[in-house]
Amino acid sequence: NAGVMQNPRHLVRRRGQEARLRCSPMKGHSHVYWYRQLPEEGLKFMVYLQKENIIDESGMPKERFSAEFPKEGPSILRIQQVVRGDSAAYFCASSQGRVDNSPLHFGNGTRLTVT
Amino acid sequence: GQQVMQIPQYQHVQEGEDFTTYCNSSTTLSNIQWYKQRPGGHPVFLIQLVKSGEVKKQKRLTFQFGEAKKNSSLHITATQTTDVGTYFCAGPNPRVDTDKLIFGTGTRLQVFP
Repeated sequence: NAGVMQNPRHLVRRRGQEARLRCSPMKGHSHVYWYRQLPEEGLKFMVYLQKENIIDESGMPKERFSAEFPKEGPSILRIQQVVRGDSAAYFCASSQGRVDNSPLHFGNGTRLTVT
Repeated sequence: GQQVMQIPQYQHVQEGEDFTTYCNSSTTLSNIQWYKQRPGGHPVFLIQLVKSGEVKKQKRLTFQFGEAKKNSSLHITATQTTDVGTYFCAGPNPRVDTDKLIFGTGTRLQVFP
């Protein structure tokens, strides 16, 4: 059973470009979460999605950031017009059900560098 | 909003010494989870505690959930170099209209051989 798959592993973008980060959850998992981690810091919640629905996007900046989890295909975290402050590791996690009962399984992350 | 703090932020120990990290939540938690992140890696689930006062062991690791379900600890006996990494506690957000884990600030453990 493949784990959570994220790609690309590393992404370099110039200021003003767009970054697209992809995440395929574990088979059978319908809950997807995106977290951001700055160097030497903790994991900050960004967004929680289920298939075709954004459940909680309270941790995501209102501008330039968007997320989706379509009926078919991976979840996508999209950052438009990137700035240097967007440089971070972005982790996707999935769970089988509510976090009360199901732990999170993390992907390897996408390390975004904005030059 | 809900906050989860951990102390210490960093801990350097000699191999063979013990290590403890403490986790405190601003709100009562339905459960607490612990994760380990190796340098350059991703967080990996270690354990979940649900009951007040619960204690669980995994080999040299002992996890405890406080009686008030607002704090927790992780104790490692006789650390090894393989224990190096950052240890995060995490608790569910208490709001019923969402379902997310709030992670603690983490404790980075360095073990010197």
